[in-house]
Amino acid sequence: NAGVMQNPRHLVRRRGQEARLRCSPVKGHSHVYWYRQLPEEGLKFMVYLQKENIIDESGMPKERFSAEFPKEGPSILRIQQVVRGDSAAYFCASSSEGRSTDTQYFGPGTRLTVL
Amino acid sequence: GQQVMQIPQYQHVQEGEDFTTYCNSSTTLSNIQWYKQRPGGHPVFLIQLVKSGEVKKQKRLTFQFGEAKKNSSLHITATQTTDVGTYFCAGGEGTYKYIFGTGTRLKVLA
Repeated sequence: NAGVMQNPRHLVRRRGQEARLRCSPVKGHSHVYWYRQLPEEGLKFMVYLQKENIIDESGMPKERFSAEFPKEGPSILRIQQVVRGDSAAYFCASSSEGRSTDTQYFGPGTRLTVL
Repeated sequence: GQQVMQIPQYQHVQEGEDFTTYCNSSTTLSNIQWYKQRPGGHPVFLIQLVKSGEVKKQKRLTFQFGEAKKNSSLHITATQTTDVGTYFCAGGEGTYKYIFGTGTRLKVLA
């Protein structure tokens, strides 16, 4: 009964490199959310995806950030040309129906450090 | 836009003392959820409240949803060191979106 999986758990990048974060939702879930969390702060919504569709990317910077959730395979959050300010924990969560009354199951997170 | 504030931001208590965190929304919510995040961990779902004035209990934890469905509280009786972590509320507005509160960081001193 696998929960949400994220990899890598820790990622170190130098400024200007690309970061690619992967999220495999709970089996059978087709709704994925990505959140960003700075140390000692709350969860900031970035993007909500259904299979093959981006539904709401209002929390994601328009430049350098992109997300996808293909028909097959994990959801990917991609950050191009990373800067120090991108250092944070990135969590994905999945739900079964994509409604706010659903339980969100969070992955363990990817902790990105930009040198 | 819709905002959900939590107070206090931090709380240190002696083991055995009670603890309460409050969540306030700028708009009426359809439901509210509570999550706990241990230090270095990820948020874990605790409970959901849907009805106006609803009260739910989980062992030493009591959750309330206000009559106007704009506020909620989490109360822990006789805290233990295992209660350490950050408690987040997440308000729902009837769509796909969850509006997370700012969180309350609880430290329990043994």
